[in-house]
Amino acid sequence: GAGVSQSPSNKVTEKGKDVELRCDPISGHTALYWYRQSLGQGLEFLIYFQGNSAPDKSGLPSDRFSAERTGGSVSTLTIQRTQQEDSAVYLCASSLLGAGNTIYFGEGSWLTVV
Amino acid sequence: GESVGLHLPTLSVQEGDNSIINCAYSNSASDYFIWYKQESGKGPQFIIDIRSNMDKRQGQRVTVLLNKTVKHLSLQIAATQPGDSAVYFCAALTGGFKTIFGAGTRLFVKA
Repeated sequence: GAGVSQSPSNKVTEKGKDVELRCDPISGHTALYWYRQSLGQGLEFLIYFQGNSAPDKSGLPSDRFSAERTGGSVSTLTIQRTQQEDSAVYLCASSLLGAGNTIYFGEGSWLTVV
Repeated sequence: GESVGLHLPTLSVQEGDNSIINCAYSNSASDYFIWYKQESGKGPQFIIDIRSNMDKRQGQRVTVLLNKTVKHLSLQIAATQPGDSAVYFCAALTGGFKTIFGAGTRLFVKA
């Protein structure tokens, strides 16, 4: 596609429920990133996928968070048993080759846990 | 831990003036730096980048300066316009992909 596409754009969920956030990267981009942005804060790295390599999950805040990337394209970020502190914007980004290349962001998925 | 910070959370400038947004990073091994602009409700957009083998790079109305000695970079916006109002993030990469972002500086442009 023309840009990084994320869905849903907004999600309100009840505490304890599971949510799935989807990211469709720019066509041909081999690297995919998930970041989290809390209100008024910077961008917190969550996870990175590059081609067929094992993903770097070092930024995932707890085992309630997981992500997968099927077929080297679309990625899903799953948050289980959501907590109020999970409320944030979840930003997906992709880049052509990974290291040292410009990262292009989607518009984000705004998650509110009530 | 590794961090990238910004000196000011907000910056207010008069339309037509030049803006300077500063950023400090902690890892001396960082070798690639990017400035992003984020407008309300949108994802960050690439503005300009610079590699560690350079100390200055110019774009359209924007200039990035890198001082590796003090681990500092700045973004200069010439003739600031109302459309420049946004949050600006600096980011640093170290030998790979893991991009560390600062908290952001919100730029207000007064007409």
